[in-house]
Amino acid sequence: KQEVTQIPAALSVPEGENLVLNCSFTDSAIYNLQWFRQDPGKGLTSLLLIQSSQREQTSGRLNASLDKSSGRSTLYIAASQPGDSATYLCAVRNRDDKIIFGKGTRLHILP
Amino acid sequence: EAGVAQSPRYKIIEKRQSVAFWCNPISGHATLYWYQQILGQGPKLLIQFQNNGVVDDSQLPKDRFSAERLKGVDSTLKIQPAKLEDSAVYLCASSLVYRASSGNTIYFGEGSWLTVV
Repeated sequence: KQEVTQIPAALSVPEGENLVLNCSFTDSAIYNLQWFRQDPGKGLTSLLLIQSSQREQTSGRLNASLDKSSGRSTLYIAASQPGDSATYLCAVRNRDDKIIFGKGTRLHILP
Repeated sequence: EAGVAQSPRYKIIEKRQSVAFWCNPISGHATLYWYQQILGQGPKLLIQFQNNGVVDDSQLPKDRFSAERLKGVDSTLKIQPAKLEDSAVYLCASSLVYRASSGNTIYFGEGSWLTVV
């Protein structure tokens, strides 16, 4: 059974710092991995999707990597801003097409 | 392109009452999902449709929850009777195809926030 774990559960960093969020999964037989952002009272916004054959994806200040064999993904945020404060969720799509989420990392950027 | 639409956004009901949530997916998206997200947790899949057929409802509490997707477009999720532990946000999502390319992005609506008192 696929399990997705996100560490840390919460993180506070000063504005301007670079930071890394971690996601691990137990079954490496996945189609893809997707990172989402969730603001309070809102739904999920897709940030990056990494296909199983890819190693990383980049969008602006965000870079997501995938090491399928070790069951790990990281989301790197460069030059953090207060507007980056949100909960970040990772989700894997299994070969049976089920999408399993982690519990998320609550990020707070200190002005 | 319009996103996934959900209504109502917020609902407060007493336990043992019933409630229904509506979802309109992105046009052309064959796969529709209903997720339940309890505060502080990640979303949990309740039911997944491919067009108007059910692909997975293994985690749907069928004694009180029901869902349908008529004509393979809009969907409704109903809870009857509601319990206190049903307080959560109910997220609808859609994606273009099922069992497809590894590049198949899932898009979420804003969610329907349910409080059972």
